[in-house]
Amino acid sequence: DAKTTQPTSMDCAEGRAANLPCNHSTISGNEYVYWYRQIHSQGPQYIIHGLKNNETNEMASLIITEDRKSSTLILPHATLRDTAVYYCIAHSGYSTLTFGKGTMLLVSP
Amino acid sequence: GAVVSQHPSRVICKSGTSVKIECRSLDFQATTMFWYRQFPKQSLMLMATSNEGSKATYEQGVEKDKFLINHASLTLSTLTVTSAHPEDSSFYICSARPTLGRIGAGYTFGSGTRLTVV
Repeated sequence: DAKTTQPTSMDCAEGRAANLPCNHSTISGNEYVYWYRQIHSQGPQYIIHGLKNNETNEMASLIITEDRKSSTLILPHATLRDTAVYYCIAHSGYSTLTFGKGTMLLVSP
Repeated sequence: GAVVSQHPSRVICKSGTSVKIECRSLDFQATTMFWYRQFPKQSLMLMATSNEGSKATYEQGVEKDKFLINHASLTLSTLTVTSAHPEDSSFYICSARPTLGRIGAGYTFGSGTRLTVV
């Protein structure tokens, strides 16, 4: 899996959009961009993934740059329950998932 | 959606005893399951890949005789921590990807097992 770089932590006010960036400049053509999150003392939760097109589901939106070297996960209206560590992973779908340190998102009232 | 059940969620055991953790895929078949370990304030570290009907593949530095993995069916993998010691205290998490899932489908994780060895 290609290496990804994320900020260590971010803050967001409740009700506002949370935009979490991720750099993956060495991503290869067959690697998807996956986002997972881990709420304290729970297993990771799948959020969204994409290859090159922007994606949206009921949880979030994923914006991938045209050169695929970076992406942004958008939580449109963050709530206190969105406080978690968010992991961006470049993954081909065939190999194992490797987790980096992720971004600790703190949503405050 | 795909659900992975992990049991127990929390266990305390005495040093020198063995502990078994179960990971079940409830509504899908999983040829391959994965076991991770997570120490406080650290990220998940892959321990081993569990393959149904064959031997598990362990990551470098993980003792296969200490962490026994059995994947006897397409819906169940177990991790047994043998002769547990306090340094084995950690958060153990399993995950699985549906065998018949489409390429790129996300992995599903269990809720984790908090092991404390006293």
